[in-house]
Amino acid sequence: AQKVTQAQTEISVVEKEDVTLDCVYETRDTTYYLFWYKQPPSGELVFLIRRNSFDEQNEISGRYSWNFQKSTSSFNFTITASQVVDSAVYFCALSEAGYSTLTFGKGTMLLVSP
Amino acid sequence: GAVVSQHPSRVICKSGTSVKIECRSLDFQATTMFWYRQFPKQSLMLMATSNEGSKATYEQGVEKDKFLINHASLTLSTLTVTSAHPEDSSFYICSASSRGSILEAFFGQGTRLTVV
Repeated sequence: AQKVTQAQTEISVVEKEDVTLDCVYETRDTTYYLFWYKQPPSGELVFLIRRNSFDEQNEISGRYSWNFQKSTSSFNFTITASQVVDSAVYFCALSEAGYSTLTFGKGTMLLVSP
Repeated sequence: GAVVSQHPSRVICKSGTSVKIECRSLDFQATTMFWYRQFPKQSLMLMATSNEGSKATYEQGVEKDKFLINHASLTLSTLTVTSAHPEDSSFYICSASSRGSILEAFFGQGTRLTVV
């Protein structure tokens, strides 16, 4: 069975600080996909990134970066120089083989204060 | 990216009544739609998967008679919460996929249902 663990329930930082959101997953499949979504207070889910299990290259997109480590089954997300607009709940999710459903972690609420 | 529109965004209904939530794919044909439920400060839990023209597949523990899902066209799926009770109050969110794959699924804005 697949499982996603986001151990950090809530993180509070001050603007311009860097922050890392942890995600640890469990799966028996060798082919799987990992996702990060942002859920602002308005509720919609904003897609941030998708990574397949065969691609362990880290990725950077502006202030966002992702560190995928198969050896530790982790897919961590770092926001550099955080801004108030980054305040949201962030979900890590896993899909086995890409055609099944998404299993979400419990989410990490990030609060960025000015 | 593709647009999925969910309506209404908020609804308040009286206990015992039914409420319908619509999920529309605006610029693509959605062969598969997924319905999720999210309790306050909780994760999203998949309720059911529906393929156009066939019956929805419900996850374990989800009452199919309580949560009626219809996916009659390639652009519209509806979730009807029948005989709603306060415990059905939640955030419901849909996602739509053109090829049945979660890799290409796009989420709606969600519907906050409050049953009073």
